[in-house]
Amino acid sequence: QVQLVESGGGVVQPGRSLRLSCAASGFTFSRYGMHWVRQAPGKGLEWVAIIWYDGSQKYSADSVKGRFTISRDNSRNTLALQMNSLRVEDTAVYYCVRAETMDMWGQGTTVIVSS
Amino acid sequence: DAVLTQSPLSLPVTLGQSASISCRSSQSLVYSDGNTYLHWFHQRPGQSPRRLIYKVSNRDSGVPGRFSGSGSGTDFTLSISGVEAEDVGVYYCMQNTHWPPTFGPGTKVEIK
Repeated sequence: QVQLVESGGGVVQPGRSLRLSCAASGFTFSRYGMHWVRQAPGKGLEWVAIIWYDGSQKYSADSVKGRFTISRDNSRNTLALQMNSLRVEDTAVYYCVRAETMDMWGQGTTVIVSS
Repeated sequence: DAVLTQSPLSLPVTLGQSASISCRSSQSLVYSDGNTYLHWFHQRPGQSPRRLIYKVSNRDSGVPGRFSGSGSGTDFTLSISGVEAEDVGVYYCMQNTHWPPTFGPGTKVEIK
């Protein structure tokens, strides 16, 4: 079964760090670029970061640049998002998404940044 | 950034009627390879988004034939011919022709 399963969300204080993970299964993970996309409560979708299929290139949104780092381990079929210096405005559901054209989404993991 | 605007933002529809959602871009979405990377997503309440249409008019596997996409350049439309109860939710257009990828604000479809 083709699926993406995110984990690692939780409640964290402003300024702290959190690491999200996404486990991929049912397809050849190493052939696909991967994104993180987030959705603040009651809001629309916001692209966060992308990593090339082989990890050779990574890009992130201006809103998270310098604080969030996307990475992947193709040997373990996993995608990660290291989030540092978290802000209240980073509160959102974070989705792991396959491919440049976003053809498959995980169920999401919730991050709440609050003091 | 390529800014996407959608209209309407709210769309009450009667079951069985047709519906259309417009997505307009601040820049042409034709890429140098000739493709137009404009896609449509549907998000039901409490669920993850699901891609319906890719590159303007290509329906994803399992998407009912009542959904169709059209348009070119900067103007695009998602059409639903004969809305069903399961079609409620928010519809987003998204582009990845230009960097960074951007989404429209979403159109909320509800049944009257």
